[in-house]
Amino acid sequence: DQQVKQNSPSLSVQEGRISILNCDYTNSMFDYFLWYKKYPAEGPTFLISISSIKDKNEDGRFTVFLNKSAKHLSLHIVPSQPGDSAVYFCAAASNAGGTSYGKLTFGQGTILTVHP
Amino acid sequence: NAGVTQTPKFQVLKTGQSMTLQCAQDMNHNSMYWYRQDPGMGLRLIYYSASEGTTDKGEVPNGYNVSRLNKREFSLRLESAAPSQTSVYFCASSEEARVKTQYFGPGTRLLVL
Repeated sequence: DQQVKQNSPSLSVQEGRISILNCDYTNSMFDYFLWYKKYPAEGPTFLISISSIKDKNEDGRFTVFLNKSAKHLSLHIVPSQPGDSAVYFCAAASNAGGTSYGKLTFGQGTILTVHP
Repeated sequence: NAGVTQTPKFQVLKTGQSMTLQCAQDMNHNSMYWYRQDPGMGLRLIYYSASEGTTDKGEVPNGYNVSRLNKREFSLRLESAAPSQTSVYFCASSEEARVKTQYFGPGTRLLVL
């Protein structure tokens, strides 16, 4: 049962244009969401996060949007740069107590390629 | 400040052999985690340690054991490796379990023949 899904395995974008990566979740207990970026042969690195009390969070070229009613979040990268080419994972967490406390559930990842 | 380090970087095992993957962090974090990543799948939590002296199972704990040796170190042991454990293993840490931002090591590629 995949609780966090990234339905697009890959995305190709021209340099300077917008990249939009999507993520859907099914568990209504999730209330904190993160995006990680991963280059080959390296570990994932934290990019940006959003709490469920917000619907948008910006950090430079990166903006994450959260639509709680649709259980959907997206990461926008504007403008896209060749150095943004990597695998992007979304992850979800719950601040509720119990066995889910502190755990991240990851999506399958989307490979972003930004062409010069 | 090295962050999260993992050893070895790459290992080949035969079915039935055992090995321990090492992880250390120098950020004074309380919580540490072990994940595995398989093709077409996201990272899946194997075990985690919310604080020194505690460990808990994650999503896919079967075939693994862990030891939180001290605040810095968290090791993952495969007692009898199986081909299904061929994967890339990542260790991560966070300030506290309630702090969701986790910092990852570079990974260990494990091949079980």
